[in-house]
Amino acid sequence: GAVVSQHPSWVICKSGTSVKIECRSLDFQATTMFWYRQFPKQSLMLMATSNEGSKATYEQGVEKDKFLINHASLTLSTLTVTSAHPEDSSFYICSALHPDIPGNTIYFGEGSWLTVV
Amino acid sequence: AQTVTQSQPEMSVQEAETVTLSCTYDTSESDYYLFWYKQPPSRQMILVIRQEAYKQQNATENRFSVNFQKAAKSFSLKISDSQLGDAAMYFCAYRAPSFGNEKLTFGTGTRLTIIP
Repeated sequence: GAVVSQHPSWVICKSGTSVKIECRSLDFQATTMFWYRQFPKQSLMLMATSNEGSKATYEQGVEKDKFLINHASLTLSTLTVTSAHPEDSSFYICSALHPDIPGNTIYFGEGSWLTVV
Repeated sequence: AQTVTQSQPEMSVQEAETVTLSCTYDTSESDYYLFWYKQPPSRQMILVIRQEAYKQQNATENRFSVNFQKAAKSFSLKISDSQLGDAAMYFCAYRAPSFGNEKLTFGTGTRLTIIP
């Protein structure tokens, strides 16, 4: 299947600092990418839809000033957690919409563990 | 709004046996896509199988097949000849067909254990 890469896999940051997570589609161009958050033993919660060249669309309840999403190219979307707090510690997963696969299948990155200390 | 329901939080199956995971969904759309994703302990989400609602034929991928009942809004996953590597969380997901609304709606997941 198509390859979506996420970096870093693990990150630890101090409270009050910002951290950036990258999501890259390696073998296709993705005009649309998605960012999810997953709490332990729970399903994936969609945070926002990232569209290349335009502003992200955030889900209800997600603070757009805290979770900054940038989709500056057809292969890269970034999620920046600003002024991180321990409650932001979580598993974050990105995914990308493949435009050429029947059904526009969505492929996922490996995920990023964020720990805020 | 679309909803996806997985009523089995946990399932277990003997190695080499067959297991079926249930999924129901609610939508007012006539055309849409359904998916099963697998999430092993590594947490990587892996696409298992995909079904287009306009296709009457059930999708099959090697040992994985679905029973798609459109009228009943049911989309179950059958895993044949279960292997130890099949142990994972399985998520059923729905996607609308419309441009600009491609986000996935996930069920709560079913944890599958394979008994050696």
